[in-house]
Amino acid sequence: QKEVEQNSGPLSVPEGAIASLNCTYSDRVSQSFFWYRQYSGKSPELIMSIYSNGDKEDGRFTAQLNKASQYVSLLIRDSQPSDSATYLCAVNVSTGNQFYFGTGTSLTVIP
Amino acid sequence: DTAVSQTPKYLVTQMGNDKSIKCEQNLGHDTMYWYKQDSKKFLKIMFSYNNKELIINETVPNRFSPKSPDKAHLNLHINSLELGDSAVYFCASSQGAGNQPQHFGDGTRLSIL
Repeated sequence: QKEVEQNSGPLSVPEGAIASLNCTYSDRVSQSFFWYRQYSGKSPELIMSIYSNGDKEDGRFTAQLNKASQYVSLLIRDSQPSDSATYLCAVNVSTGNQFYFGTGTSLTVIP
Repeated sequence: DTAVSQTPKYLVTQMGNDKSIKCEQNLGHDTMYWYKQDSKKFLKIMFSYNNKELIINETVPNRFSPKSPDKAHLNLHINSLELGDSAVYFCASSQGAGNQPQHFGDGTRLSIL
């Protein structure tokens, strides 16, 4: 089983809609969770970090964490064409002090 | 001001050659990483150094050798390059290992002919 799993997509949503991206992880004691956005040909850039159960909002982005169910999600409200990118979920693993990245979900926002 | 900078940005070379990629960060972080991103976009950690000490050494061929002269620099040397080494290599840094977000360089696109 992979440490971090994401639906690879592609996910297509119309402009203005809510895009929902999901991620599950296998290490029950993981403590830190991150969402990165990667445009084609560019490096990953951090969008959100979340450390405790519940929702965390930052502008149009909301991260949701449920440690009991071992999933973390990212909601993008009022999706824009500029949000079209691959979104990577990253989870820290309790042993080895390292991150595992999911394979990413490709999002396309259709004008 | 570039936070994490890698050189070169592109590297095209022939099989069997030896090459190096350099990385420097000016964020004051104490932990640095090398990742490999293959054609399927999977981002896989290779090495991590914390205050110049190797803390993560994933299953990577020993043709790959990292070196950290100080906590602001982490270089990657690759011997006897093979076709399968073609990928984008990202350097990243963070403050502390594991529970802090990582900041990535722009990547080095390595192509083996």
